[in-house]
Amino acid sequence: QSALTQPASVSGSPGQSITISCTGTSSDVGGYNYVSWYQQHPGKAPKLMIYDVSIRPSGVSNRFSGSKSGNTASLTISGLQAEDEADYYCSSYTSSSTLLFGGGTKLTVL
Amino acid sequence: EVQLLESGGGLVQPGGSLRLSCAASGFTFSNYAMSWVRQAPGKGLEWVSTISGSGGSIYYADSVKGRFTISRDNSKNTLYLQMNSLRAEDTAVYYCAKSGSYYGSGDIYFDYWGQGTLVTVSS
Repeated sequence: QSALTQPASVSGSPGQSITISCTGTSSDVGGYNYVSWYQQHPGKAPKLMIYDVSIRPSGVSNRFSGSKSGNTASLTISGLQAEDEADYYCSSYTSSSTLLFGGGTKLTVL
Repeated sequence: EVQLLESGGGLVQPGGSLRLSCAASGFTFSNYAMSWVRQAPGKGLEWVSTISGSGGSIYYADSVKGRFTISRDNSKNTLYLQMNSLRAEDTAVYYCAKSGSYYGSGDIYFDYWGQGTLVTVSS
């Protein structure tokens, strides 16, 4: 199975909002509300930011939000801060009872 | 505080074997599914395998099916990954990750991650 499709990079200035898309198929993203998002800083382990499409774990800033429409899920970060600069990965459960990650998106805060 | 500590990584020749361990603490281990996720150098995340809380349900990525075996010892709060017939493309940092639920399928997300252990397959 191919990875979910994410843009390779996005950028924004401090205070702005950005959105990262994650496109799959009806067999994964479109078929289940089991999309999650992870943030990874260089040399560090990933951190869960969103699960079940739009639920924020305790301790994650409310500047992070998730949504889904059809086969595409999205992560929006509002009020961009320098510390948000990182790689972001989406993941989805699939009809094959497996988990698929996106290729990752590098967020640059200008 | 939840802690996941991987061990067992290292350099191995193609065709060789390696066993990774992940010692868990800070939560009721048997209540949660556990997974292995890997990341090749400079690449993205790749899900490898998940095992349910009881160990009765197990799932693998096609890329490792038939070569890797996930298991757990709930009496020792430890997760394992036995890796056989290793290939160069298995070179990666292997992360142990705790799932947010008991079941090994469906609502799979990882709320805690270890720091990873590097596996290098090279002659």
